[in-house]
Amino acid sequence: GAGVSQSPSNKVTEKGKDVELRCDPISGHTALYWYRQSLGQGLEFLIYFQGNSAPDKSGLPSDRFSAERTGGSVSTLTIQRTQQEDSAVYLCASSSIAVRDSPRITDTQYFGPGTRLTVL
Amino acid sequence: DQQVKQNSPSLSVQEGRISILNCDYTNSMFDYFLWYKKYPAEGPTFLISISSIKDKNEDGRFTVFLNKSAKHLSLHIVPSQPGDSAVYFCAASGLDRGSTLGRLYFGRGTQLTVWP
Repeated sequence: GAGVSQSPSNKVTEKGKDVELRCDPISGHTALYWYRQSLGQGLEFLIYFQGNSAPDKSGLPSDRFSAERTGGSVSTLTIQRTQQEDSAVYLCASSSIAVRDSPRITDTQYFGPGTRLTVL
Repeated sequence: DQQVKQNSPSLSVQEGRISILNCDYTNSMFDYFLWYKKYPAEGPTFLISISSIKDKNEDGRFTVFLNKSAKHLSLHIVPSQPGDSAVYFCAASGLDRGSTLGRLYFGRGTQLTVWP
């Protein structure tokens, strides 16, 4: 079946503009994660969705960052008033995962190809 | 604070030899560990995982070893092939009160180069 897809693959924007990044998870996966990888760094957690709700937004670096998920499927990460330090590869992952009080089905997350964001 | 550490940014190995990639973690509540492989301009690809109830998991040329007392895991690739050249990320997750269910904590990666 189809894997996780992300669009656009590359985005170049000017400082101060808003950008939207899209993620289509694997069909049936209830959990969705956003990470970012800055140059020379590991993957940094941003936000987690279980269904349409986001129980953990602790990784969002500032209030310029927001994300939503609709229909338990597609998610959009929005960055307002972009800054040069926002330049990174933004990665989306999905997994089939049980709720906290149930045995975990799997923690294996499957990643999309990422969106490379460059803020000039 | 980096809860998962990969202290070797790079490793170079001759084709046919064993590659050993190391990873250390600090959070004793981590109970599930994964290795991902990443090629340039692609997302990380899941390689192999291990639960904390085991100390070894094998899948073809790839074996992951877990030493809970030392909070250390390693990935062995035998024999190494040029196509294995990529960045390898170690990741961990846990069910402690402070963690999101399934949220992964990543190391910074090790660039493996396998030369002919």
